Amino acid sequence: DTAVSQTPKYLVTQMGNDKSIKCEQNLGHDTMYWYKQDSKKFLKIMFSYNNKELIINETVPNRFSPKSPDKAHLNLHINSLELGDSAVYFCASSQVRISISNEQFFGPGTRLTVL
Amino acid sequence: ELKVEQNPLFLSMQEGKNYTIYCNYSTTSDRLYWYRQDPGKSLESLFVLLSNGAVKQEGRLMASLDTKARLSTLHITAAVHDLSATYFCANHGGAGNMLTFGGGTRLMVKP
Repeated sequence: DTAVSQTPKYLVTQMGNDKSIKCEQNLGHDTMYWYKQDSKKFLKIMFSYNNKELIINETVPNRFSPKSPDKAHLNLHINSLELGDSAVYFCASSQVRISISNEQFFGPGTRLTVL
Repeated sequence: ELKVEQNPLFLSMQEGKNYTIYCNYSTTSDRLYWYRQDPGKSLESLFVLLSNGAVKQEGRLMASLDTKARLSTLHITAAVHDLSATYFCANHGGAGNMLTFGGGTRLMVKP
């Protein structure tokens, strides 16, 4: 069974469109994340979310918004897409406790191309 | 702002050789992670280092953590072609359990 899944795997769209990427985890984790990997392979955190708190990396434009219908899902909605949004987006999840590793498990990624 | 720096960013080596990848980070942190990424694939967790002096080994890879020096190393012993990938270190020091990643080390092992 896939632990962290994302759909779609590939997304090609025009500038100015609005799109969503879905993420689901079946690990029972309490925290989910979105990361962006650019063309140079740099990985950057965008959001951290559990059922109590959303933490946003201050560099993320407000065109990006996470939406969580329940603990197992954290979708990423992007408004008014720009060329610079082209990247691979990874969803991840972890169980956050002081006494454990808080290891994050990553989804397969969604390659977004904005034309 | 937490910074994580890896070096080298690119490493080409012959099979059978040993080498070390270095990961420096800028603030105190209790956890350090190493991930592997194959081209076009996701990130696979390799090691989680939870305390000063922690050492973990899996096959030809060994990771260590020195929290006083703010340094982690990933040592490769007798490299084989299958180890070719990009390796990332990540530091857990931000709010919300967010990880800050190093720039990645692209490793190519030549037969």
